[in-house]
Amino acid sequence: DTAVSQTPKYLVTQMGNDKSIKCEQNLGHDTMYWYKQDSKKFLKIMFSYNNKELIINETVPNRFSPKSPDKAHLNLHINSLELGDSAVYFCASSSFSGAYEQYFGPGTRLTVT
Amino acid sequence: DAKTTQPTSMDCAEGRAANLPCNHSTISGNEYVYWYRQIHSQGPQYIIHGLKNNETNEMASLIITEDRKSSTLILPHATLRDTAVYYCIVRGPPGNTDKLIFGTGTRLQVFP
Repeated sequence: DTAVSQTPKYLVTQMGNDKSIKCEQNLGHDTMYWYKQDSKKFLKIMFSYNNKELIINETVPNRFSPKSPDKAHLNLHINSLELGDSAVYFCASSSFSGAYEQYFGPGTRLTVT
Repeated sequence: DAKTTQPTSMDCAEGRAANLPCNHSTISGNEYVYWYRQIHSQGPQYIIHGLKNNETNEMASLIITEDRKSSTLILPHATLRDTAVYYCIVRGPPGNTDKLIFGTGTRLQVFP
């Protein structure tokens, strides 16, 4: 069974569209994260949620809105997509906020044309 | 910004030990050293972490100098599947809400 899963794996869309990426973890973890890895391979945290509560919100445009319907899911919705949003987005989870081990999903490659 | 400095790339022959260095000269007393790796096109994977004592698990060993300003990750018998980017990260103790800050890492190429 996949511990942290993301859908879709690939997403190609046009500028201006709105899209969502879904993440689910079956590890029973309390904390979930979204990371962005750009074309230069820099991996940066965007958000983290602990028990559905937002605890880390990096300097991310308001067009990005995470939503956590329950502690096993953390979805990322992106409005008015721009070319610069093209990247690989990784979801991760950990047993608690600040746990030494984060488990990462396989990533979603977003391409905005 | 990342608090660590790592070589950009390294090579290692299959079956030999891979020793990946990391400098973290500004590490604070309660900060830990964490290692993650990212195999091509996959999500990062936790390897090991330590405070000041040397640590070993099924994947690797972590050697931290006595002054804690540098450390070395050791993969004792590297395989082709260990080819990846290895990230050394300094972060607060478990339970702290500090985020993981990934630097540029070391690209390890294991060759036959």
